[in-house]
Amino acid sequence: GAGVSQSPRYKVAKRGQDVALRCDPISGHVSLFWYQQALGQGPEFLTYFQNEAQLDKSGLPSDRFFAERPEGSVSTLKIQRTQQEDSAVYLCASTRSGGALNEQFFGPGTRLTVL
Amino acid sequence: GESVGLHLPTLSVQEGDNSIINCAYSNSASDYFIWYKQESGKGPQFIIDIRSNMDKRQGQRVTVLLNKTVKHLSLQIAATQPGDSAVYFCAEGEAGTYKYIFGTGTRLKVLA
Repeated sequence: GAGVSQSPRYKVAKRGQDVALRCDPISGHVSLFWYQQALGQGPEFLTYFQNEAQLDKSGLPSDRFFAERPEGSVSTLKIQRTQQEDSAVYLCASTRSGGALNEQFFGPGTRLTVL
Repeated sequence: GESVGLHLPTLSVQEGDNSIINCAYSNSASDYFIWYKQESGKGPQFIIDIRSNMDKRQGQRVTVLLNKTVKHLSLQIAATQPGDSAVYFCAEGEAGTYKYIFGTGTRLKVLA
């Protein structure tokens, strides 16, 4: 596709529900990142994939957060038993190659609201 | 879309003037620095980057300056236009790692 796409764009969940957020990176991009952006703040790193391998998940805030990229393209961020503090915009980004010295292309984000 | 940066530092400039947005970065080992522009309801959009072996890089209407001694990064926008109104973030990355660390952001308001 022309850019990174994310779905859904908006998600409202009741506290305790599980949610799944999808990211379609730019075709052929090796690296995929997930970020969490709270209102009024910069994006905070959650996890990183190089192809299907999750190389860094140090930013995931708890074991309720799980991400996967089984075929090295589409990725899903799953949040179990959502809490109000999980409310944020979840951003996905991809880069053509691996590592931290490449231009990232961001999707529009999924805004999650937990009631 | 939702608002980005409700309580961020704000820089107001007159249309046609130059803008300077500053950022203090945290990691002295960072090798790569990027400026992003984020409009309400959208993801960050790449503006310009610079590697640590440079101290200045110019793009179209934008210039990034890097001062590694004081860990300071700035973005200069020439002839600021209404379409430049957004929140601007700096980000840093280090070779061998996969994390980009974002700054807190500055809201730029362009006054007509």
